[in-house]
Amino acid sequence: GDSVTQMEGPVTLSEEAFLTINCTYTATGYPSLFWYVQYPGEGLQLLLKATKADDKGSNKGFEATYRKETTSFHLEKGSVQVSDSAVYFCALRSGGGGNKLTFGTGTQLKVEL
Amino acid sequence: DVKVTQSSRYLVKRTGEKVFLECVQDMDHENMFWYRQDPGLGLRLIYFSYDVKMKEKGDIPEGYSVSREKKERFSLILESASTNQTSMYLCASSLERDLTDTQYFGPGTRLTVL
Repeated sequence: GDSVTQMEGPVTLSEEAFLTINCTYTATGYPSLFWYVQYPGEGLQLLLKATKADDKGSNKGFEATYRKETTSFHLEKGSVQVSDSAVYFCALRSGGGGNKLTFGTGTQLKVEL
Repeated sequence: DVKVTQSSRYLVKRTGEKVFLECVQDMDHENMFWYRQDPGLGLRLIYFSYDVKMKEKGDIPEGYSVSREKKERFSLILESASTNQTSMYLCASSLERDLTDTQYFGPGTRLTVL
């Protein structure tokens, strides 16, 4: 079945540092890939998505590229801010999964001054 | 903007009580979902619905039921709450059923069962 593996957190960075959160997946067919973000005390909101191989999703300075050859969708940001502190979830949806979203376990990011 | 609202942010119930969690979306979305979120486990799908009066089991439906009498409202029911149902419950909705569609989430209900 479908699965998503994310790096363990928490990840603690200083402001303006470079961020990478790794995400790899297993899925049947050609899934769509998503990054969701959950700020403290809130629900999840879509950060970015990519729907086919080599697509790059981007939003708010975050980027992720759909790499079919390595089954990866790593999240990156060149310079993080304190306001980026949140939990980040990688997710996929594939036809083999009944069009349901399958989530990773989440990675908590803490950005300090 | 899509808005998904949940009836309570925090709820405390006793073991054996019947619990109703309500979710309402205001964008005429066809699809609605209930997840629970637990540390180290991410989000797990409990039930979902593609249409009024329709429901389908997700990955962890045991101990839960749902009701969708109106398009905008999707209720999660714990028939007899147990302590292992203490969790954060998240509702979501989406417009389409294709693989690229975005799910929009409510703020969550943190349920504690004593």
